[in-house]
Amino acid sequence: FMLTQPHSVSESPGKTVSISCTRSSGFIDSKYVQWYQQRPGSAPTIVIYDDIQRPSGVPARFSGSIDSSSNSASLTISGLKTEDEAVYYCQSYDATTLVFGGGTKLTVL
Amino acid sequence: QEQLVQSGSELKKPGASVKISCKASGYIFTTRAMIWVRQAPGQGLEWMGWINTNSGKPTYAQGFTGRFVFSLDTSVSTAFLEINSLQTEDTAIYYCARAAAPKTNWFDPWGQGTLVTVSS
Repeated sequence: FMLTQPHSVSESPGKTVSISCTRSSGFIDSKYVQWYQQRPGSAPTIVIYDDIQRPSGVPARFSGSIDSSSNSASLTISGLKTEDEAVYYCQSYDATTLVFGGGTKLTVL
Repeated sequence: QEQLVQSGSELKKPGASVKISCKASGYIFTTRAMIWVRQAPGQGLEWMGWINTNSGKPTYAQGFTGRFVFSLDTSVSTAFLEINSLQTEDTAIYYCARAAAPKTNWFDPWGQGTLVTVSS
């Protein structure tokens, strides 16, 4: 299966942005979805796991959701800050494979 | 704290081999699976497979069989990725990442990445 993300999104500081992640086959709610943030020159870090859970240390401005009707997951970031500018990857799995989405570049301008 | 520290950048010629290390600290190494991820220049993340750090059994993703070898040295809490018969297309940053908890499929922490450049 594949996970499809928009190539890029942009929004202004203080606003809210959502990034989608659509699963090509199999149900989005059959396996958990994770979200990683990758800033330039750095390794990815987890921001959302198990669809909606936020690791300790990740601001409450970050939230995850699942929409079964569109077979997609979303990462929503509210109160955007310039430091949120990064590439965001969704990730899920099936019985034998782990898959990353192609990544979405978030520009905060 | 729990962390993964990878070996430094490598410059190799086509046809050579490279072995990257990923040293874990701050937790019991054999209690968490490890994955390897490739990121080609300017590209996204690509799962290469995973290794069971308790049994040592590797599982390779499609496209990463044959030339790629995952191994462990549990005595020093270190995972290794070896790539044989290097090709220019293997130029990438390689990351190790640890399963955050047993039987989970999210990964934290990640190593800092190792850049492998293959050029004649």
